[in-house]
Amino acid sequence: DAKTTQPNSMESNEEEPVHLPCNHSTISGTDYIHWYRQLPSQGPEYVIHGLTSNVNNRMASLAIAEDRKSSTLILHRATLRDAAVYYCILRNRDDKIIFGKGTRLHILP
Amino acid sequence: DSGVTQTPKHLITATGQRVTLRCSPRSGDLSVYWYQQSLDQGLQFLIQYYNGEERAKGNILERFSAQQFPDLHSELNLSSLELGDSALYFCASSERGHGSFSSGNTIYFGEGSWLTVV
Repeated sequence: DAKTTQPNSMESNEEEPVHLPCNHSTISGTDYIHWYRQLPSQGPEYVIHGLTSNVNNRMASLAIAEDRKSSTLILHRATLRDAAVYYCILRNRDDKIIFGKGTRLHILP
Repeated sequence: DSGVTQTPKHLITATGQRVTLRCSPRSGDLSVYWYQQSLDQGLQFLIQYYNGEERAKGNILERFSAQQFPDLHSELNLSSLELGDSALYFCASSERGHGSFSSGNTIYFGEGSWLTVV
């Protein structure tokens, strides 16, 4: 299974942008990059996904490196409600979805 | 609300017992996934079903089994329970779920079933 590497934790101030990095150096050409987040005592929720091009939605932006070996989830203006564990995962053909330990994001008021 | 329904939300049982966790996927979703999350642990993939058939298997113990029924709901059976089985069990579903179109599909998680083994 292709693996991802994320920092264990990050901190950011409220109302500032947050850049959450993810390395996936063994990514294959057909792997999609997905981001999910898990708020305390809740199930993970979808944030964004992409294949090659940068993506934007109402929650966040996803910047994908040209060689696709890394990506960055961008929260444009963090709020206290964005405090969660963020998971970067790769989805491959056999559809086995493996989550790593993710990045625990702390938002400082 | 993700549209994925899990029951029961909380369950307390004794060691050695057997429990069944139930999951109703989002309407139209053919794939169902089961995950285990112990305290301060990551999400451990257990098993995936697609349209009634087992699709992928993760670190699922032999004491655990699952199935997906014709109406697409799924059940996770946990037997001979041990204290270490205490965890939050998540079900997730996604559209299609196999083939070349599946990699970009979003997966939707339920709120989980809290299992406490005493």
